[in-house]
Order: sequence, then structure tokens, then C-alpha cells
Amino acid sequence: AQSVTQLGSHVSVSEGALVLLRCNYSSSVPPYLFWYVQYPNQGLQLLLKYTTGATLVKGINGFEAEFKKSETSFHLTKPSAHMSDAAEYFCAVSFSGNTGKLIFGQGTTLQVKP
Amino acid sequence: GAGVSQTPSNKVTEKGKYVELRCDPISGHTALYWYRQSLGQGPEFLIYFQGTGAADDSGLPNDRFFAVRPEGSVSTLKIQRTERGDSAVYLCASSLTPSGLTDTQYFGPGTRLTVL
Repeated sequence: AQSVTQLGSHVSVSEGALVLLRCNYSSSVPPYLFWYVQYPNQGLQLLLKYTTGATLVKGINGFEAEFKKSETSFHLTKPSAHMSDAAEYFCAVSFSGNTGKLIFGQGTTLQVKP
Repeated sequence: GAGVSQTPSNKVTEKGKYVELRCDPISGHTALYWYRQSLGQGPEFLIYFQGTGAADDSGLPNDRFFAVRPEGSVSTLKIQRTERGDSAVYLCASSLTPSGLTDTQYFGPGTRLTVL
């Protein structure tokens, strides 16, 4: 069965530090991979997605993620954290033949300290 | 409107009651999804509409849950005989094309359902 695992339910970084949020998936077929962000009292917003082609994907707000098939990973990074990055981040996958429904990880709350 | 809207934003009901949750997708989006997000968890898929028909309802937990989309735009999620375990945030999302595996899903703000 396909699944998504986000390592670390809470991550805390200092402002200006590197942000690394981990996501691993389990699948027997090639996945399509997404990162969504959820700010307090707001809906989920797409940060970036990998479908085909270049494995390093750049998204909004300076975030990027790299699809590593050999590691079944799609970790999210940002070189320098801003206070405004504090939010909950969800990794999600969909697969060919599953109608586009997303399978989400449990989420990682990012705290940014001044 | 510019985005996906959901009403009500909050719904408090008593165990055993019937509730309806509404979703207005982005105009022109043919695909519509419902998800449920319990506290501390990621969203879980419930049902997917391609136009007016439910193309995938494999995520509905039991027969108390039902959803419709009669005209291919607005959708209503209906829950009968609510139970305390149904308490969650119900999210709706829409995307431009049917079965667009790589399409961006645009999410509404959700309806927070509390069953007392």
C-alpha cells in the first residue's frame, strides 16, 4: 500500500537557519509528489510539486525539494528561515491510476525562533 | 469567488443528528475532492467527483457518509446519525481537469465539525 511518512512532527529552527523537512514515501509505482503549507486559520496552499522531469523542484517563498527515487524521499528545504515560515507543512503523493486523490503525511509543524 | 469556499466554517451538533457541509469550488474546475483532517493528522481522502459523478468514494468511512454534486459545481457532504468520532475538519479541494493526477488541488478553509 502507498504511504507517506514525515519524520519529525515538530521542527524548530532559528531565523536565518536552514530549514529541512523530511518526507519519505512508499510505493510500487512512480509517484507524483507535493508539498503543501497550512498557515493558522487558512487553507492548504501548494508550495511545490514534482511530476516528471527535473528532480529538483523550486516552489514559492524560496522553498525547494528534490525527488530521490533511490531513497524514496522528497525532502523540503529552504536556505534561510523567516519568521513568516512558521506553519504546518504536509507532504503528499498521488499515483497513476488512483484518480488524483492525495495521500498525506501526518504533517510537520515548523517553529522559527527569533 | 476567487477560491474554494466552504460553509459553514464551524458546525456544532449533537450525537445522532444529521449535518450537511457545503463546498463551492473554483469556477470551471471539474474535479472536486473531499478530505477529512483529524486533530494532529494529515488530511484523509473521502470522495472524488469528476463532474457530477462520484468517480471514487473509497475513502468514505461508512454508509452514514454521502456526498452529491448534482450540477457539477457545488457539492454537499452529508453525514447521518453523527458520532463523536466524526468530529474533524472537513476539507474540500478542486482542480481544473478531471482525473488530473498532476493538477494542483486548491483547498478551501474547511468546516470544523464538532459532535457533542
